[in-house]
Amino acid sequence: QVQLQESGPGLVKPSGTLSLTCSVSRELTAYDWGWIRQSPGMGLEWIGHVSFSGDTKYNPSLRNRVIISADTSKNQFSLRMISVTTADTAVYYCARVRINVIRGAVFDFWGQGALVTVSS
Amino acid sequence: EVVLTQSPGTLSLSPGERATLSCRASQSVRSSYLAWYQQKPGQAPRLLIYGTSNRATGIPDRFSGSGSETDFTLTISRLEPGDFALYFCQQYGASQFTFGPGTKLEIK
Repeated sequence: QVQLQESGPGLVKPSGTLSLTCSVSRELTAYDWGWIRQSPGMGLEWIGHVSFSGDTKYNPSLRNRVIISADTSKNQFSLRMISVTTADTAVYYCARVRINVIRGAVFDFWGQGALVTVSS
Repeated sequence: EVVLTQSPGTLSLSPGERATLSCRASQSVRSSYLAWYQQKPGQAPRLLIYGTSNRATGIPDRFSGSGSETDFTLTISRLEPGDFALYFCQQYGASQFTFGPGTKLEIK
């Protein structure tokens, strides 16, 4: 079992920067770690993910505004999104990413989610 | 980008009935990389099925997945009260993940 917990401000002003941290109950090695968001009443959107070594993959629609990084010394990884608008209001989830031809490409453990509201 | 479409948008059934949920992809998806999730109100999604047909740890055998290329199905053989929730399919390809819009399974 792996526990993940998101933390960060719940309110961000338009044009500001959204910053979230995910704390993980185990070492980050051997897996990738990702962020997914869900707008109120909407579906799920993959934001991106980072490997323990720092390699990143991003959703092309968000690539220009997002940075995901990992701090293996703290068992944490982070999301930074710049130039936010009200459209970025959502519940942000962190999750462990498992990519394996045998065991699939999935998000197998999730945090409980953090609501971030973009409003002045 | 692979676009996933799910149908129906809402499925109304009674406990004990069989549920069949569909996920269609805009282009072929590697079967290893098609998954299903269940989400209940106020909770994070939970992985149900990976690699099209493999149940995740702790998922009862009432849940089964099938399909190939662009057409995939999640079947719940005998609905229990706790199965009424939102279900998403998800694919991975070209180093990108996409999710379907979801099917809401509600009690009739």
